[in-house]
Amino acid sequence: DTAVSQTPKYLVTQMGNDKSIKCEQNLGHDTMYWYKQDSKKFLKIMFSYNNKELIINETVPNRFSPKSPDKAHLNLHINSLELGDSAVYFCASSLQFNQPQHFGDGTRLSIL
Amino acid sequence: QQPVQSPQAVILREGEDAVINCSSSKALYSVHWYRQKHGEAPVFLMILLKGGEQKGHEKISASFNEKKQQSSLYLTASQLSYSGTYFCGTDGGSQGNLIFGKGTKLSVKP
Repeated sequence: DTAVSQTPKYLVTQMGNDKSIKCEQNLGHDTMYWYKQDSKKFLKIMFSYNNKELIINETVPNRFSPKSPDKAHLNLHINSLELGDSAVYFCASSLQFNQPQHFGDGTRLSIL
Repeated sequence: QQPVQSPQAVILREGEDAVINCSSSKALYSVHWYRQKHGEAPVFLMILLKGGEQKGHEKISASFNEKKQQSSLYLTASQLSYSGTYFCGTDGGSQGNLIFGKGTKLSVKP
């Protein structure tokens, strides 16, 4: 059973489009995260949710919006995609903050 | 503030040892270590909390010196499976805001 699952695995789309990435965890964790890993492999926190409340919102463009229908899901919606959004996006979860994080397999987003 | 990792890359022969360092310019509450293999997700190795404790995971151990705001990851008798990029993540205690370093690429050759 996959602990943290993301869909889709690959996403190829054109500039200006709107897209969503879904994330689900079956670990019973209270905290979920979204990370962006660019071509230089820098892993940067974008958002984190704890019990459906946004705790951290880093300086990401407001084109990115996390949505959490329940504590097992944290989806990422991106409006008006730009070339610079091309990256691998990882979802992760942990029991609480400062606990081991379990990562999903990532979604490779390519903007044409 | 992003922690600084050194070295950026290291190449080892099987059985050799390595040390990866992680330092921060700000006070730390904890340090996390993850390993990421090419094309895969980061995988948790260990967390060290302030107090200078050393933790171990197979032949991989780590220390945390909170006064120096540094952590070191020790890989003993390296195996081919140790190859990957190692990231340290530091937590300044602000609601678990984990900031990762740029990573250290470790390559273990037969």
